Amino acid sequence: EADIYQTPRYLVIGTGKKITLECSQTMGHDKMYWYQQDPGMELHLIHYSYGVNSTEKGDLSSESTVSRIRTEHFPLTLESARPSHTSQYLCASSDNVYYGYTFGSGTRLTVV
Amino acid sequence: AQSVTQPDIHITVSEGASLELRCNYSYGATPYLFWYVQSPGQGLQLLLKYFSGDTLVQGIKGFEAEFKRSQSSFNLRKPSVHWSDAAEYFCAVGARSGDKLTFGTGTRLAVRP
Repeated sequence: EADIYQTPRYLVIGTGKKITLECSQTMGHDKMYWYQQDPGMELHLIHYSYGVNSTEKGDLSSESTVSRIRTEHFPLTLESARPSHTSQYLCASSDNVYYGYTFGSGTRLTVV
Repeated sequence: AQSVTQPDIHITVSEGASLELRCNYSYGATPYLFWYVQSPGQGLQLLLKYFSGDTLVQGIKGFEAEFKRSQSSFNLRKPSVHWSDAAEYFCAVGARSGDKLTFGTGTRLAVRP
């Protein structure tokens, strides 16, 4: 079944740790996106990719980095986590904006 | 650039009552329009979309939305709300020549028993 997967679902980690949030999709979509969603619900685009070896920063400045070495995989890395990074992170993919996005279930990150 | 406004941050309706969630967009041409729903702790699920043709579109879970070009609106409706409809609802707009969607700030729906 075609889908998009995010792991872990929940993560509690100490300040200063390096973390990688995983996102994989089985639909062969070229376009992938990372959103940060704070408790107030609003979605902020932090990174996107239009294909392998293509990554761009989004509308919201973020200290995270991303990579796109394989079409199906779009991990997000925080080199040194801080409490201000506490948020929900949503990954999405798309074949064409005509179809909209398919979202993963999200990773709820808490930095203590 | 496109933009989306969802004027209502929080709406409460009684179970069985009708529902309308408002969405206004700004774009120079006819855009692609979407409604998504997000249950607590989950990602966003596509409810319905409009791209052309009939301005009244049907979606999943009994929802529908109407595209009104003259009002730059794409309001979501449901004739009878169920308790399980309590969630956050996001309207989104996409340019036909672009690759990104722009999301509204969301409307939180609460359902009274």
